[in-house]
Amino acid sequence: EVLLVESGGGLVQPGGSLRLSCSVSGFSFSSYSMHWVRQAPGKGLEYVSGINNSGGNTYYADSVRGRFTISRDNSKNTLYLQMSSLRPEDTAVYSCVTFGSRTNYFDYWGQGTLVTVSS
Amino acid sequence: EVMLTQSPGTLSLSPGDRATLFCRASQSISSNYLAWFQQKPGQAPRLLISGASARATGIPDRFSGSGSGTYFTLTISRLDPEDFAVYYCQQYGNLPRTFGGGTKVE
Repeated sequence: EVLLVESGGGLVQPGGSLRLSCSVSGFSFSSYSMHWVRQAPGKGLEYVSGINNSGGNTYYADSVRGRFTISRDNSKNTLYLQMSSLRPEDTAVYSCVTFGSRTNYFDYWGQGTLVTVSS
Repeated sequence: EVMLTQSPGTLSLSPGDRATLFCRASQSISSNYLAWFQQKPGQAPRLLISGASARATGIPDRFSGSGSGTYFTLTISRLDPEDFAVYYCQQYGNLPRTFGGGTKVE
């Protein structure tokens, strides 16, 4: 069974920091790129960040570039998202996802962790 | 970033109707790497289509995708009651990946 379990969400003040984790089991974590996708309450999906299988390449949405850092530890099958300088508009459910590869596209999603940025 | 614009925002139809959803990209999508997802309330999104037209495993053949370059379409030939949901397009040919704003089929 494939499981992606996020943790680390919570309430944080504007300007604060938070680190999300995503623990993965049931598929070959080190073989695939991993991603974070967020969804604000009642809103659509927003792609946040991605990292290739080795961790050597990362990419970010314009809305978070310079504030968020994605990383992974293939020895622990874990994906991370370090978030800093948080803003109220970052409030959302953050989900970790893999989409497989471009030529073999599939999706496994976590259940998400809620991040609330508010004073 | 590649911007994806979905239309219409909402589609009001009945079971058995044909649904046609559109996704327009701000620039040509490399290798037609365009996917469609379905999301129901309280659930994670589910991949329907990749590569603009290839159905994902287990997706019924009433779902079909077409298009190339900057213009893509998702068609549901005959709506089943379980198909009423929100649909998102996503491009994965250009970095960073991006999603469209969604079309609600109600």
